[in-house]
Amino acid sequence: NAGVTQTPKFRILKIGQSMTLQCTQDMNHNYMYWYRQDPGMGLKLIYYSVGAGITDKGEVPNGYNVSRSTTEDFPLRLELAAPSQTSVYFCASSLGLNMNTEAFFGQGTRLTVV
Amino acid sequence: QKEVEQDPGPLSVPEGAIVSLNCTYSNSAFQYFMWYRQYSRKGPELLMYTYSSGNKEDGRFTAQVDKSSKYISLFIRDSQPSDSATYLCAMAPSGFQKLVFGTGTRLLVSP
Repeated sequence: NAGVTQTPKFRILKIGQSMTLQCTQDMNHNYMYWYRQDPGMGLKLIYYSVGAGITDKGEVPNGYNVSRSTTEDFPLRLELAAPSQTSVYFCASSLGLNMNTEAFFGQGTRLTVV
Repeated sequence: QKEVEQDPGPLSVPEGAIVSLNCTYSNSAFQYFMWYRQYSRKGPELLMYTYSSGNKEDGRFTAQVDKSSKYISLFIRDSQPSDSATYLCAMAPSGFQKLVFGTGTRLLVSP
């Protein structure tokens, strides 16, 4: 029972490099989310998806891109890494958007941009 | 002013103590209130969920919402070392895409 799986767990990027953070869930959830967590700032929503082929911006989308080609996968793309993108990234999924359903989080990807 | 304010702690208590964790908020449209527990280097996990005002109890945990004061609390009775974690409050007017998180309070329960 894997739940939400994120890879990699850790990554160091140089400024200007690009990378894709992978997220996959095996719960057949339609709704998936990407958050970043910075010290003293709480979790901030980057992008979310309500189903395959449908994505929308969250509170802090600049510098990121997403795609959702399957129900299971929701990768997050950083095109030109900047030091401000140093953070811990969490992927989450839920059965619905309504608050009566529970969101499940992955274990996070720690990204450092130097 | 942040929409959701939460004292970062750390809050240190001895085993068996009653713990009170709190958040204040400014958006009167918030109707859904959650508490997440986050162990070090792990993702958050839902602990308690409350809709609108009132109390909710689950084992050693009690969540309280006072919408008139824009104040929510999480009480932990008979605290255990395994309760040592960061506790995040979160709230929304509707839908997960509108969820706003507090910064988290780090709790340390010593044996």
